Amino acid sequence: NAGVTQTPKFQVLKTGQSMTLQCAQDMNHNSMYWYRQDPGMGLRLIYYSASEGTTDKGEVPNGYNVSRLNKREFSLRLESAAPSQTSVYFCASSAPTGGDYTDTQYFGPGTRLTVL
Amino acid sequence: AQTVTQSQPEMSVQEAETVTLSCTYDTSESDYYLFWYKQPPSRQMILVIRQEAYKQQNATENRFSVNFQKAAKSFSLKISDSQLGDAAMYFCAYRRRYGNKLVFGAGTILRVKS
Repeated sequence: NAGVTQTPKFQVLKTGQSMTLQCAQDMNHNSMYWYRQDPGMGLRLIYYSASEGTTDKGEVPNGYNVSRLNKREFSLRLESAAPSQTSVYFCASSAPTGGDYTDTQYFGPGTRLTVL
Repeated sequence: AQTVTQSQPEMSVQEAETVTLSCTYDTSESDYYLFWYKQPPSRQMILVIRQEAYKQQNATENRFSVNFQKAAKSFSLKISDSQLGDAAMYFCAYRRRYGNKLVFGAGTILRVKS
């Protein structure tokens, strides 16, 4: 049981390049999330997927797209990378418990992305 | 919109002593959850403790406990008998009860001195 896995762990891009960050979970969770972490700002939600087949914008969605490929996988794509997207990216997953969504989010190890 | 504020960018504690990390939040909701996450140098986000707003009793997990003051919208974390392994960034987070989006504070770096 690996939990939440992310690839790659590190990436350097040039401005304008595109790339996809991959995330997979083996906990049979319904919901998955993408966050970015910047110094002094904590984690901010980019996109989330409450269940397979649905995606919604979070706090900072501009410049990103997502795909919920199946229940296990949720990818984040940067179509044209910008230096402002230099950050650490975290994927997380959760499953509602009982009838009041007392779920806990479990995080992957993160991807450190640098855009030059 | 909900906001979470951690006013202490950095804290230090001597090994075996007690330290309290502060968190305040702003919300118009009455039902919600509050969390403390730990992020060690490995970057992994680890859940430390969770509090349901509708429960008056403060949550406790071994050496970690919270002081939840709903009227004051305050949610502090107390770490007792601090250990070197407690050194990390600590994040306070909020979530509406019927929702799945976490709102994080900016974090507090905790240093533990031997």
